[in-house]
Order: sequence, then structure tokens, then C-alpha cells
Amino acid sequence: DQQVKQNSPSLSVQEGRISILNCDYTNSMFDYFLWYKKYPAEGPTFLISISSIKDKNEDGRFTVFLNKSAKHLSLHIVPSQPGDSAVYFCAAKAGKSTFGDGTTLTVKP
Amino acid sequence: GAVVSQHPSRVICKSGTSVKIECRSLDFQATTMFWYRQFPKKSLMLMATSNEGSKATYEQGVEKDKFLINHASLTLSTLTVTSAHPEDSSFYICSARDRTATSTDTQYFGPGTRLTVL
Repeated sequence: DQQVKQNSPSLSVQEGRISILNCDYTNSMFDYFLWYKKYPAEGPTFLISISSIKDKNEDGRFTVFLNKSAKHLSLHIVPSQPGDSAVYFCAAKAGKSTFGDGTTLTVKP
Repeated sequence: GAVVSQHPSRVICKSGTSVKIECRSLDFQATTMFWYRQFPKKSLMLMATSNEGSKATYEQGVEKDKFLINHASLTLSTLTVTSAHPEDSSFYICSARDRTATSTDTQYFGPGTRLTVL
């Protein structure tokens, strides 16, 4: 049973528009959520995180929203840039981190 | 930023041989390192947590005798895939937690090692 799901394997957006990446989880014990970005042949890089006591965290162009009642979080990137093209993983922690399968974002110039 | 290296980046071996993968934290000390396995188009699956100077903690379903982990120093952890078989072919990624970081949630990932067993 996959506890962290990213139901969209891919997403394509135009440069300058908003990218919205979604993540759903099932374990109510998760208390911390993270987003990672991964380029081909590289390891994931930490992007942004949010504690379960918050519903929003913003860092520059990146904002993460958490809806605990829906067990859903999303990453908003605005404006999107071609360099944002990568695989994005969400992860949820209850002690250890559990990762989603990733969403491949393509930002077209 | 913190850098984690892995060596080798790619390895091809014959079935039945053993392969060692190194994970190093280059500019920080890591009391805890993690080993993940990633299947194509799938998430990172935590295999084990390695603490310096103690035995690794393996996740359910991971064979500890097959995937030997050694964390002998604060900057080095090794994963040895023993008697490798084609089904062990995968992308192995390590991550390290900086012992001085105020947040215990930050992990720095290595670039990964692509293992192909013929």
C-alpha cells in the first residue's frame, strides 16, 4: 500500500505560467512534508518543506500548501522557468521519509 | 551547500559477484546515512539507515546479508551488494544527514550509482 502518491507522472507548462504539482498521502501520522527536485543522473535536492502545523510555506517562487483534512499537499511554482524542468518528489515523514513516485515537470520556453 | 558523493557512478558486473558502493559526505560529518533504491519511474525506496559506529537498521523486506552496510566513519558509508543477480540491477542512492544541522529533517543526497548485473 503506497502511503504517498503523486498521481500525475508528468506535467507540461508554458514558461511564465504556474506549475502545480500534487501529492496525496494516507498516513495521518506524517508530521512533516518535503519536496525534492531531481535532475537526470543526479540525486534529489531539497526544495521546500512544511510542518503539519502549518498550511502554507513560501520560498521565493516556490510555495507548498498543506490540506491536512484532505491529506493533500501541493507545490506551486510561479513563474515557471525552463530550468525548473526536472522530476519532483514529495516526501512525508513519520520518523523516516516515504517518497512518492515523482512527477516529471517540463517547462516549455 | 553540503555535498555527498557516490562512487562508482556506474557499475556493470557479472551475476554472482559482489559490488561495493561508497557514499561520502565531502564537507560535513554525517552521523546518519541512508541508502535508497530507485526502480524506473518509481519512488525512492528506503533500504536501510546507517549510523556511524553501529549496525545499520534495515527496512522490512531488505535482506541484510545481501546488502551489507558499513558506516565506519563520520564521512563514509559503504553498501556492498553480495552475490549480485540481475534482479539487483537498479539505481542506488545514498543520503546523509549533517550532524551539525539544526533541523533533523535535512538530507543531502548523492548522485546515485547505476548497477547493472549481467
